[in-house]
Amino acid sequence: AQKITQTQPGMFVQEKEAVTLDCTYDTSDPSYGLFWYKQPSSGEMIFLIYQGSYDQQNATEGRYSLNFQKARKSANLVISASQLGDSAMYFCAMREGLGYGQNFVFGPGTRLSVLP
Amino acid sequence: GAVVSQHPSWVICKSGTSVKIECRSLDFQATTMFWYRQFPKQSLMLMATSNEGSKATYEQGVEKDKFLINHASLTLSTLTVTSAHPEDSSFYICSATLAATDTQYFGPGTRLTVL
Repeated sequence: AQKITQTQPGMFVQEKEAVTLDCTYDTSDPSYGLFWYKQPSSGEMIFLIYQGSYDQQNATEGRYSLNFQKARKSANLVISASQLGDSAMYFCAMREGLGYGQNFVFGPGTRLSVLP
Repeated sequence: GAVVSQHPSWVICKSGTSVKIECRSLDFQATTMFWYRQFPKQSLMLMATSNEGSKATYEQGVEKDKFLINHASLTLSTLTVTSAHPEDSSFYICSATLAATDTQYFGPGTRLTVL
């Protein structure tokens, strides 16, 4: 079974509009972390935002926010005021268990295209 | 902070040769580094987990003798693709875990093309 599901292979959004990228996860471990990364055409993976399973509030980092719904096991990324530079692949990832050095599982990714 | 470098950024080699890729954490110590492989239009696939001073842990289906990993210090891990073949052509990305944040920070990747 897929641990991380991203159901949107591709998304389009108009510049300056907000967009939500979906991510659902599957784990039986009560301790886990959820991450979003951006991968532009250059290939570099850029860390965007993190949500811990015990965090009470949704994570926010500038224009990025994470809509964490624990009961539904979803961790959607919301990008507000989209910019042309936001066009990239976006990957949702999960780290199961506590402790550093645990490997991540990545979703298949969503390609976001921001239209002028 | 939390910068990870990779060298080289791209390499072209002949079939049968070996290629070494370096991954360095520039401003932090990383007891654990990860090596991923990414084919075009696909997600990252974990190849191995590299721990400083010990043997790497390989994912199922990854040949240990083909992909040699050495984590000699807290800031350097190397991946050597031995006797490379065209099917090894891929984008290889390393990451290092920043302990204080439990976040993986990625290097810029190495594009390997085997002719």
